[in-house]
Amino acid sequence: AQKVTQAQTEISVVEKEDVTLDCVYETRDTTYYLFWYKQPPSGELVFLIRRNSFDEQNEISGRYSWNFQKSTSSFNFTITASQVVDSAVYFCALSEAVGSARQLTFGSGTQLTVLP
Amino acid sequence: DTAVSQTPKYLVTQMGNDKSIKCEQNLGHDTMYWYKQDSKKFLKIMFSYNNKELIINETVPNRFSPKSPDKAHLNLHINSLELGDSAVYFCASSRRTTGNTIYFGEGSWLTVV
Repeated sequence: AQKVTQAQTEISVVEKEDVTLDCVYETRDTTYYLFWYKQPPSGELVFLIRRNSFDEQNEISGRYSWNFQKSTSSFNFTITASQVVDSAVYFCALSEAVGSARQLTFGSGTQLTVLP
Repeated sequence: DTAVSQTPKYLVTQMGNDKSIKCEQNLGHDTMYWYKQDSKKFLKIMFSYNNKELIINETVPNRFSPKSPDKAHLNLHINSLELGDSAVYFCASSRRTTGNTIYFGEGSWLTVV
Protein backbone atom coordinates (compact mmCIF):
# COMPACT_ATOMS: atom_id res chain seq x y z
CA ALA A 1 0.00 0.00 0.00
CA GLN A 2 1.19 3.45 -0.70
CA LYS A 3 1.24 6.42 1.58
CA VAL A 4 1.60 10.17 1.35
CA THR A 5 2.68 12.21 4.35
CA GLN A 6 2.29 15.93 4.71
CA ALA A 7 3.72 16.52 8.15
CA GLN A 8 2.86 20.23 8.24
CA THR A 9 -0.78 20.52 9.23
CA GLU A 10 -0.86 24.31 9.25
CA ILE A 11 1.56 27.00 8.14
CA SER A 12 1.14 30.70 8.59
CA VAL A 13 3.34 33.28 6.83
CA VAL A 14 3.29 36.96 6.18
CA GLU A 15 2.76 38.16 2.64
CA LYS A 16 5.89 38.19 0.46
CA GLU A 17 7.59 35.48 2.48
CA ASP A 18 8.65 32.28 0.77
CA VAL A 19 7.10 29.06 2.03
CA THR A 20 7.81 25.40 1.36
CA LEU A 21 5.23 22.67 1.76
CA ASP A 22 6.67 19.23 2.38
CA CYS A 23 5.49 15.95 0.91
CA VAL A 24 6.98 12.52 1.52
CA TYR A 25 5.62 9.40 -0.16
CA GLU A 26 5.95 5.64 -0.02
CA THR A 27 5.31 3.30 -2.89
CA ARG A 28 6.51 -0.03 -4.26
CA ASP A 29 5.72 0.94 -7.83
CA THR A 30 8.69 1.69 -10.05
CA THR A 31 6.54 3.94 -12.19
CA TYR A 32 4.36 6.39 -10.35
CA TYR A 33 3.00 9.89 -10.59
CA LEU A 34 2.92 12.68 -8.06
CA PHE A 35 0.52 15.59 -7.96
CA TRP A 36 -0.19 18.77 -6.07
CA TYR A 37 -3.70 20.15 -5.77
CA LYS A 38 -4.89 23.40 -4.24
CA GLN A 39 -8.18 23.73 -2.36
CA PRO A 40 -9.01 27.41 -1.80
CA PRO A 41 -11.66 28.49 0.72
CA SER A 42 -14.31 28.20 -2.00
CA GLY A 43 -13.75 24.44 -1.84
CA GLU A 44 -12.89 23.26 -5.32
CA LEU A 45 -9.81 21.13 -6.01
CA VAL A 46 -7.47 22.78 -8.47
CA PHE A 47 -4.77 20.78 -10.23
CA LEU A 48 -1.33 22.39 -9.97
CA ILE A 49 1.25 19.92 -11.24
CA ARG A 50 1.91 16.31 -12.23
CA ARG A 51 5.33 14.69 -12.13
CA ASN A 52 6.27 11.17 -13.20
CA SER A 53 8.84 9.10 -11.36
CA PHE A 54 11.35 9.19 -14.23
CA ASP A 55 11.53 12.93 -14.40
CA GLU A 56 13.47 14.42 -11.52
CA GLN A 57 13.88 17.85 -13.04
CA ASN A 58 12.64 20.62 -10.84
CA GLU A 59 9.87 22.71 -12.26
CA ILE A 60 9.06 26.36 -11.93
CA SER A 61 5.81 28.01 -12.87
CA GLY A 62 5.71 31.68 -11.96
CA ARG A 63 5.96 31.92 -8.18
CA TYR A 64 5.51 28.17 -7.79
CA SER A 65 8.32 25.64 -7.88
CA TRP A 66 8.55 21.95 -7.16
CA ASN A 67 11.51 19.90 -5.98
CA PHE A 68 11.26 16.18 -6.69
CA GLN A 69 13.91 14.03 -5.01
CA LYS A 70 13.53 10.34 -5.61
CA SER A 71 16.38 9.49 -3.24
CA THR A 72 14.44 10.90 -0.30
CA SER A 73 10.96 10.13 -1.70
CA SER A 74 10.00 13.76 -1.44
CA PHE A 75 8.10 16.14 -3.68
CA ASN A 76 8.17 19.55 -2.03
CA PHE A 77 6.34 22.65 -3.18
CA THR A 78 7.65 26.19 -2.74
CA ILE A 79 5.72 29.40 -3.14
CA THR A 80 7.93 32.41 -3.60
CA ALA A 81 6.78 35.86 -2.49
CA SER A 82 3.52 34.49 -1.12
CA GLN A 83 0.28 36.39 -1.55
CA VAL A 84 -2.96 36.41 0.41
CA VAL A 85 -4.65 34.61 -2.50
CA ASP A 86 -2.31 31.67 -1.93
CA SER A 87 -4.18 30.91 1.28
CA ALA A 88 -5.62 27.45 0.80
CA VAL A 89 -5.25 23.80 1.70
CA TYR A 90 -2.61 22.14 -0.45
CA PHE A 91 -2.69 18.42 -1.10
CA CYS A 92 0.07 16.19 -2.33
CA ALA A 93 -1.09 12.98 -4.00
CA LEU A 94 0.38 9.78 -5.41
CA SER A 95 -1.14 7.88 -8.31
CA GLU A 96 -1.08 4.11 -8.32
CA ALA A 97 -2.42 1.51 -10.70
CA VAL A 98 -5.42 -0.43 -9.46
CA GLY A 99 -6.34 -3.04 -12.03
CA SER A 100 -7.00 -1.17 -15.25
CA ALA A 101 -7.54 2.13 -13.45
CA ARG A 102 -5.46 4.53 -11.45
CA GLN A 103 -6.37 6.10 -8.19
CA LEU A 104 -4.97 8.95 -6.18
CA THR A 105 -3.86 8.56 -2.60
CA PHE A 106 -3.89 11.94 -0.96
CA GLY A 107 -1.87 13.33 1.89
CA SER A 108 -3.77 14.92 4.75
CA GLY A 109 -3.19 18.40 3.37
CA THR A 110 -1.40 21.52 4.61
CA GLN A 111 -3.45 24.57 5.48
CA LEU A 112 -1.50 27.61 4.33
CA THR A 113 -2.53 31.01 5.64
CA VAL A 114 -0.87 34.07 4.16
CA LEU A 115 -1.37 37.14 6.30
CA PRO A 116 -1.39 40.64 4.82
CA ASP B 1 -16.96 25.96 -19.91
CA THR B 2 -17.11 23.73 -16.87
CA ALA B 3 -15.09 20.56 -17.36
CA VAL B 4 -16.46 18.41 -14.54
CA SER B 5 -19.78 19.59 -13.19
CA GLN B 6 -21.77 18.14 -10.34
CA THR B 7 -25.18 18.99 -8.94
CA PRO B 8 -26.36 19.95 -6.47
CA LYS B 9 -23.57 21.96 -4.91
CA TYR B 10 -25.30 22.06 -1.54
CA LEU B 11 -27.71 19.51 -0.15
CA VAL B 12 -29.28 19.48 3.30
CA THR B 13 -31.51 16.52 4.03
CA GLN B 14 -32.92 14.52 6.89
CA MET B 15 -31.71 11.18 8.14
CA GLY B 16 -33.29 8.27 6.37
CA ASN B 17 -33.85 10.07 3.08
CA ASP B 18 -32.52 8.92 -0.28
CA LYS B 19 -30.61 11.42 -2.40
CA SER B 20 -28.60 11.55 -5.60
CA ILE B 21 -25.68 13.64 -6.78
CA LYS B 22 -25.19 13.96 -10.51
CA CYS B 23 -21.89 14.37 -12.32
CA GLU B 24 -21.04 15.11 -15.93
CA GLN B 25 -17.73 15.73 -17.66
CA ASN B 26 -17.18 17.26 -21.09
CA LEU B 27 -13.47 16.47 -21.33
CA GLY B 28 -13.87 13.32 -23.37
CA HIS B 29 -12.39 11.26 -20.54
CA ASP B 30 -13.20 7.58 -20.22
CA THR B 31 -12.69 7.20 -16.47
CA MET B 32 -14.73 8.83 -13.72
CA TYR B 33 -14.47 8.77 -9.95
CA TRP B 34 -16.21 9.67 -6.73
CA TYR B 35 -14.09 10.89 -3.81
CA LYS B 36 -15.26 11.75 -0.32
CA GLN B 37 -13.76 14.52 1.80
CA ASP B 38 -14.52 14.30 5.50
CA SER B 39 -14.67 17.05 8.08
CA LYS B 40 -10.91 16.82 8.62
CA LYS B 41 -10.33 17.44 4.91
CA PHE B 42 -9.15 13.91 4.28
CA LEU B 43 -9.82 12.79 0.70
CA LYS B 44 -10.50 9.17 -0.12
CA ILE B 45 -11.65 7.40 -3.25
CA MET B 46 -15.02 5.69 -3.20
CA PHE B 47 -15.57 4.44 -6.75
CA SER B 48 -14.03 4.48 -10.18
CA TYR B 49 -15.69 3.69 -13.49
CA ASN B 50 -14.01 3.15 -16.83
CA ASN B 51 -16.26 3.20 -19.91
CA LYS B 52 -19.27 2.56 -17.69
CA GLU B 53 -17.59 -0.41 -15.99
CA LEU B 54 -16.94 -0.38 -12.24
CA ILE B 55 -13.19 -0.62 -11.68
CA ILE B 56 -12.60 0.51 -8.12
CA ASN B 57 -15.05 -0.05 -5.32
CA GLU B 58 -13.57 0.86 -1.98
CA THR B 59 -15.14 -0.25 1.24
CA VAL B 60 -18.19 1.93 1.42
CA PRO B 61 -21.63 1.00 2.75
CA ASN B 62 -24.02 -0.66 0.33
CA ARG B 63 -26.25 2.37 0.74
CA PHE B 64 -23.95 4.11 -1.73
CA SER B 65 -24.53 3.08 -5.32
CA PRO B 66 -22.84 4.67 -8.31
CA LYS B 67 -24.52 4.60 -11.70
CA SER B 68 -22.87 5.37 -15.01
CA PRO B 69 -25.38 5.70 -17.88
CA ASP B 70 -22.57 6.61 -20.26
CA LYS B 71 -18.91 7.46 -19.98
CA ALA B 72 -19.60 11.16 -19.58
CA HIS B 73 -21.83 10.70 -16.54
CA LEU B 74 -21.36 9.13 -13.13
CA ASN B 75 -24.10 9.65 -10.60
CA LEU B 76 -24.01 8.78 -6.91
CA HIS B 77 -27.14 7.57 -5.19
CA ILE B 78 -27.27 7.31 -1.42
CA ASN B 79 -30.02 5.42 0.39
CA SER B 80 -31.11 5.81 4.00
CA LEU B 81 -28.83 8.72 4.74
CA GLU B 82 -27.07 8.81 8.08
CA LEU B 83 -25.49 11.65 10.03
CA GLY B 84 -22.03 10.25 9.27
CA ASP B 85 -22.62 10.65 5.55
CA SER B 86 -22.24 14.40 5.93
CA ALA B 87 -19.20 15.29 3.84
CA VAL B 88 -18.11 16.86 0.60
CA TYR B 89 -18.37 14.53 -2.36
CA PHE B 90 -16.15 15.18 -5.35
CA CYS B 91 -16.66 13.80 -8.79
CA ALA B 92 -13.57 13.56 -11.00
CA SER B 93 -12.46 12.29 -14.39
CA SER B 94 -9.33 11.35 -16.29
CA ARG B 95 -8.11 9.49 -19.32
CA ARG B 96 -7.45 5.84 -18.69
CA THR B 97 -3.82 5.97 -19.84
CA THR B 98 -1.16 5.76 -17.19
CA GLY B 99 -0.59 8.74 -14.98
CA ASN B 100 -3.13 11.02 -16.51
CA THR B 101 -4.24 13.93 -14.44
CA ILE B 102 -7.48 13.57 -12.54
CA TYR B 103 -9.67 16.66 -12.77
CA PHE B 104 -12.20 17.35 -10.06
CA GLY B 105 -15.62 18.92 -9.99
CA GLU B 106 -16.45 21.69 -7.56
CA GLY B 107 -17.76 19.34 -4.91
CA SER B 108 -21.19 18.68 -3.41
CA TRP B 109 -21.63 19.61 0.24
CA LEU B 110 -23.98 17.09 1.81
CA THR B 111 -25.34 17.78 5.28
CA VAL B 112 -27.54 15.19 6.96
CA VAL B 113 -29.61 16.47 9.87
